[in-house]
Amino acid sequence: GEDVEQSLFLSVREGDSSVINCTYTDSSSTYLYWYKQEPGAGLQLLTYIFSNMDMKQDQRLTVLLNKKDKHLSLRIADTQTGDSAIYFCAESAYTGGFKTIFGAGTRLFVKA
Amino acid sequence: DVKVTQSSRYLVKRTGEKVFLECVQDMDHENMFWYRQDPGLGLRLIYFSYDVKMKEKGDIPEGYSVSREKKERFSLILESASTNQTSMYLCASSSPGEATNEKLFFGSGTQLSVL
Repeated sequence: GEDVEQSLFLSVREGDSSVINCTYTDSSSTYLYWYKQEPGAGLQLLTYIFSNMDMKQDQRLTVLLNKKDKHLSLRIADTQTGDSAIYFCAESAYTGGFKTIFGAGTRLFVKA
Repeated sequence: DVKVTQSSRYLVKRTGEKVFLECVQDMDHENMFWYRQDPGLGLRLIYFSYDVKMKEKGDIPEGYSVSREKKERFSLILESASTNQTSMYLCASSSPGEATNEKLFFGSGTQLSVL
């Protein structure tokens, strides 16, 4: 079945770049997403990429997609303490209808 | 700004109680979802609804039911709460957008503890 996998924890120093990785299994995925969840809050859509793209940049965020390896990454440049959160990778997959499948989330901890 | 509001931030219930979790969205979204979030498991879909009075089972519907009597409101019901239903419950609604691009908007979550 469909599966989205990501590591559970990442720690970086303030000012460094963070790279959060994700792998997915459904080759029919059309969109892939990164959601951010800050403490005590719901998830917020951070960015998304269409599956025929290999890169998308939005200010400090860079999304890279390797469709052959089914690998998605989120790079945050100049990471700040305010970036500390849980980051969820998700894919839009067809299972008799389109639905969003989430990974377990990567907790990013930024050390001052 | 889209607002998805969940009626309670924290709830404590006893085993066997009937529990209602309410969710309201103010952007006229057709699609609404209930997820539960557990550490190390990510988000798992319980039920979703694509229209008023319409519901579809997600991946883990057992022990839950839902109600969508009005477009803006989607309720999750635990008929007889059990301790393994202790979890964070997240409601979401989605923007129409392109057919396969489902941008989800989430509420702040309800942390339910069943004792």
